[in-house]
Amino acid sequence: DSGVTQTPKHLITATGQRVTLRCSPRSGDLSVYWYQQSLDQGLQFLIQYYNGEERAKGNILERFSAQQFPDLHSELNLSSLELGDSALYFCASSPLAGGETQYFGPGTRLLVL
Amino acid sequence: EDQVTQSPEALRLQEGESSSLNCSYTVSGLRGLFWYRQDPGKGPEFLFTLYSAGEEKEKERLKATLTKKESFLHITAPKPEDSATYLCAVVQGAQKLVFGQGTRLTINP
Repeated sequence: DSGVTQTPKHLITATGQRVTLRCSPRSGDLSVYWYQQSLDQGLQFLIQYYNGEERAKGNILERFSAQQFPDLHSELNLSSLELGDSALYFCASSPLAGGETQYFGPGTRLLVL
Repeated sequence: EDQVTQSPEALRLQEGESSSLNCSYTVSGLRGLFWYRQDPGKGPEFLFTLYSAGEEKEKERLKATLTKKESFLHITAPKPEDSATYLCAVVQGAQKLVFGQGTRLTINP
């Protein structure tokens, strides 16, 4: 158990809908990272927040957004969902702003029908 | 563009048969190379961090080594429970991890 929690574990929704994925980092960690894992793309970095501020952006679509709250939990919002958004979404956390070991949560499996 | 290439894509071994997994990387100024283990449908589990060429780390049947261009994950006398996908990643821009595609390891009893 890494200490990172994610909810929900599974999510089934329809195209065009909007969903919110939630992540709580390990106690004391200030950075939260979001990754997407699909069969053909492997693990891809989406976005990082550090102590409430956006720190780095990767291959995140404009339909996706994230935020980190004062209690350091983070939410990833996915809107206008398409079939191709079906994937595993992982959250990771680290103590500082980056470069050190990231610990991953169990993931949310999203299926868009 | 930083790149990470892992080989082989898949490896099937008999229990007790030692082998090595390879991770080749191209990155300007390595700030850390990470090995993770991932079971199907689960989150990556941290194994090792290596920072400089010549560094080695061990944990049970696994040993990770680092040179200037690649890293190896050596597995000694593996057991069926070592079956998993092993992922290698490097830090890019001091924030995000760039992952290889992984090596899917199967250990047959």
